[in-house]
Amino acid sequence: DTAVSQTPKYLVTQMGNDKSIKCEQNLGHDTMYWYKQDSKKFLKIMFSYNNKELIINETVPNRFSPKSPDKAHLNLHINSLELGDSAVYFCASSQNPNSPLHFGNGTRLTVT
Amino acid sequence: AQSVAQPEDQVNVAEGNPLTVKCTYSVSGNPYLFWYVQYPNRGLQFLLKYITGDNLVKGSYGFEAEFNKSQTSFHLKKPSALVSDSALYFCAVREGSNTGKLIFGQGTTLQVKP
Repeated sequence: DTAVSQTPKYLVTQMGNDKSIKCEQNLGHDTMYWYKQDSKKFLKIMFSYNNKELIINETVPNRFSPKSPDKAHLNLHINSLELGDSAVYFCASSQNPNSPLHFGNGTRLTVT
Repeated sequence: AQSVAQPEDQVNVAEGNPLTVKCTYSVSGNPYLFWYVQYPNRGLQFLLKYITGDNLVKGSYGFEAEFNKSQTSFHLKKPSALVSDSALYFCAVREGSNTGKLIFGQGTTLQVKP
């Protein structure tokens, strides 16, 4: 069974569209994250939730909105997509904020 | 602010030889350091971490890392490289707050040739 699963794996869309990426973890972890990996493979945190509470909100455009309906899910909604949003988005989870992260396999978003 | 640097974009080694992937860090307070590996089209996988204790940390797949406080380094090592070790390696430091936020280095591509 996949521990951290993201859907879709690939997402190709046009500028201005709104899209969502879903993430689910079956590890029973309390903390979930969204990271963005750019074309140079640089990784940067976007958001983190602990027990459905937002604990990290980096300087991300407010077009990006995370939603955590329960501890096992953390979805990412993006409004008015721009070319610069093209990247690989990784969901991750950890037992608590101090434990190692378990990553999903990523969602490759391409905005045309 | 916490930061990590991986000075080499790529490291090339022959199979069977020892490998080292370098990482230096800058933190205020005690460092919490991690190594992750990323295979093509996959998410990152945790290899090992240093919180406190022995300076030599053992991790998954035969990897180990040496914490050196005076040199502010946390180099990843393996005594005998395998072709299957070829991947992208990330060093990371946990930000001082209790949020779990990791600051990643820019990554080092390890190429192990047969």
